[in-house]
Amino acid sequence: RKEVEQDPGPFNVPEGATVAFNCTYSNSASQSFFWYRQDCRKEPKLLMSVYSSGNEDGRFTAQLNRASQYISLLIRDSKLSDSATYLCVVNEGGSYIPTFGRGTSLIVHP
Amino acid sequence: GAVVSQHPSWVICKSGTSVKIECRSLDFQATTMFWYRQFPKQSLMLMATSNEGSKATYEQGVEKDKFLINHASLTLSTLTVTSAHPEDSSFYICSALPQRPGLAGTQKDTQYFGPGTRLTVL
Repeated sequence: RKEVEQDPGPFNVPEGATVAFNCTYSNSASQSFFWYRQDCRKEPKLLMSVYSSGNEDGRFTAQLNRASQYISLLIRDSKLSDSATYLCVVNEGGSYIPTFGRGTSLIVHP
Repeated sequence: GAVVSQHPSWVICKSGTSVKIECRSLDFQATTMFWYRQFPKQSLMLMATSNEGSKATYEQGVEKDKFLINHASLTLSTLTVTSAHPEDSSFYICSALPQRPGLAGTQKDTQYFGPGTRLTVL
């Protein structure tokens, strides 16, 4: 199976900090990329899609680097409510086959 | 928009019984649904891909006779855990892939997850 790798963390940061996560993927044929967030004992929720050169949504910025085969998630001005596990998802082209990373745990403290 | 429900949200059963979990896309149609399992402090593990009107595709190591999947309509897929044992206790989550992105606020190639079913087998 194709691999999607994430640093499991935890990343322990104070409120207001900027934190960045990386996710690397091994399948160069991958075509679509997503960041999900999962709270403890809950289902994953879509945070943002990452297409072409990346995108921004408020305090969150996602970037895609096809040459190096990684995507990143930047969170600015961290809030306590950002504490969660962030999952990287990569889809292969053609037949839709999602591959999840193991997730990166973020803890934002006062 | 893009709501996926699961029923039941939790179930406790005796060893040897079968448990059926339903996954419904409420405001969009889904040709493809996925079933995942997640053990505590571990990542999501894809069990199978369910396509409407055809047999499910199981991931390596997942017993198709133990985890029966039926995708009878564009809005409903079911997972039946047959003869459940304590080692089957886990958090089972489904997701749905919209057939027509854009409707109900859905996006292309994006999975929408149900709230999960917590199964405890005694």
